[in-house]
Amino acid sequence: QVRLVQSEAEVRKPGAAVKLSCKASGYSLTSKDIHWVRQAPGQGLEWMGIINRGDGGATYSRKFEGRVTMTSDASTNTIYMELSSLNSEDTAVYYCARGAAVLTSIGNLVTSIKFLDFWGQGTLVTVSS
Amino acid sequence: DIQMTQSPSSLSASVGDRVTITCRASQSISMSLNWYQQKPGKAPELLIHGAITLQNGVSSRFGGSGSGTDFTLTISSLQPEDSAIYYCQQSYSSPMFTFGPGTKVDI
Repeated sequence: QVRLVQSEAEVRKPGAAVKLSCKASGYSLTSKDIHWVRQAPGQGLEWMGIINRGDGGATYSRKFEGRVTMTSDASTNTIYMELSSLNSEDTAVYYCARGAAVLTSIGNLVTSIKFLDFWGQGTLVTVSS
Repeated sequence: DIQMTQSPSSLSASVGDRVTITCRASQSISMSLNWYQQKPGKAPELLIHGAITLQNGVSSRFGGSGSGTDFTLTISSLQPEDSAIYYCQQSYSSPMFTFGPGTKVDI
């Protein structure tokens, strides 16, 4: 079955960087996109970016552009997310999630509806001096 | 950027109640709207995609409706295990997604 297993919790000082991993099993990494979503303590879900299944290219939320890098290693079915210049507001649980899509007829149009069908267990990153 | 709002932000209901949560997009998103359930300390789980399609394995007491800018998640008969936070999410601006702020359901 599909599983996304994330790396263990991390503690970093302000200004440092952190690199998280997300290992996929039960399917090939090259067949689905992977998204990263974070959740600060007591807050909602915040979309960070996506790494594409095909070319491994990435698209990031404008909020994180310049500070985030998402990469993939097809040989190990593992995706990585590195966030730099950390500050206390980056303290959060970071989730990877698999992107999926279905074709749906809406009126006369066929539309691809995209969603996140499997999630990792999350990695807590704490930024503290 | 497409903004998502949800109402109410929280609600309290009893077992067996019918519960409705509303999600609104700042512009038309057709039916590119998904719903997730998140329980304390757990990752979110997909409930509904494409505004109306129940994800495999999800209880039929969950239902979705809407298109354009206004969407609804309905729980037809609330159960104790439905206590959670519910998030809507738009994928119209794919590859970029946006989540709503969430609705906390207490029982």
